[in-house]
Amino acid sequence: NAGVTQTPKFRVLKTGQSMTLLCAQDMNHEYMYWYRQDPGMGLRLIHYSVGEGTTAKGEVPDGYNVSRLKKQNFLLGLESAAPSQTSVYFCASSYSPDRPEAFFGQGTRLTVV
Amino acid sequence: QQQVKQSPQSLIVQKGGISIINCAYENTAFDYFPWYQQFPGKGPALLIAIRPDVSEKKEGRFTISFNKSAKQFSLHIMDSQPGDSATYFCAALSRGGTSYGKLTFGQGTILTVHP
Repeated sequence: NAGVTQTPKFRVLKTGQSMTLLCAQDMNHEYMYWYRQDPGMGLRLIHYSVGEGTTAKGEVPDGYNVSRLKKQNFLLGLESAAPSQTSVYFCASSYSPDRPEAFFGQGTRLTVV
Repeated sequence: QQQVKQSPQSLIVQKGGISIINCAYENTAFDYFPWYQQFPGKGPALLIAIRPDVSEKKEGRFTISFNKSAKQFSLHIMDSQPGDSATYFCAALSRGGTSYGKLTFGQGTILTVHP
């Protein structure tokens, strides 16, 4: 049982490049989340999804796009990376608001130079 | 516009002492309040959680106190141990309106427990 798996674990991008972060969960969870973690800022919600085919904006959505084409996968895209997007990105999933425990992946450390 | 405000940012406690971390929120649609623990290089993991229909929940050395009228909740770690040294996050889940399912975190508290 893998839980929540993030790919890749590390990445260095040049300013203006694009990339996609993949989050996969094998727990049949409905809810999925993307966060970024920066020192002193905590975990800030980028986008989230309450079910397959649905997405919603979080606190810091600018510069990011997401897709939830399959229930088990939640993709986070950076179309034109900027140094301000250097961060550690975490994906999380939960079953439902009635079983709201969120399980996190191990994180993706992204550096934009 | 941080919807969940956490303090202090860092905390140093001696072994055996009590660690207290506080959080405050504004959104009345929040109705589930978990605390997460994160060790370096790892993702956060659920520690303990509370719903607003109770004022306190205790699990071992960890206790959540909840004050609905003040929109505040806190984590107490009794008999703090060096192994408790980690970053702690409070969070709140919205189950109302346009933010249904939104899980919002506080800024985090770095706890250091000295032996």
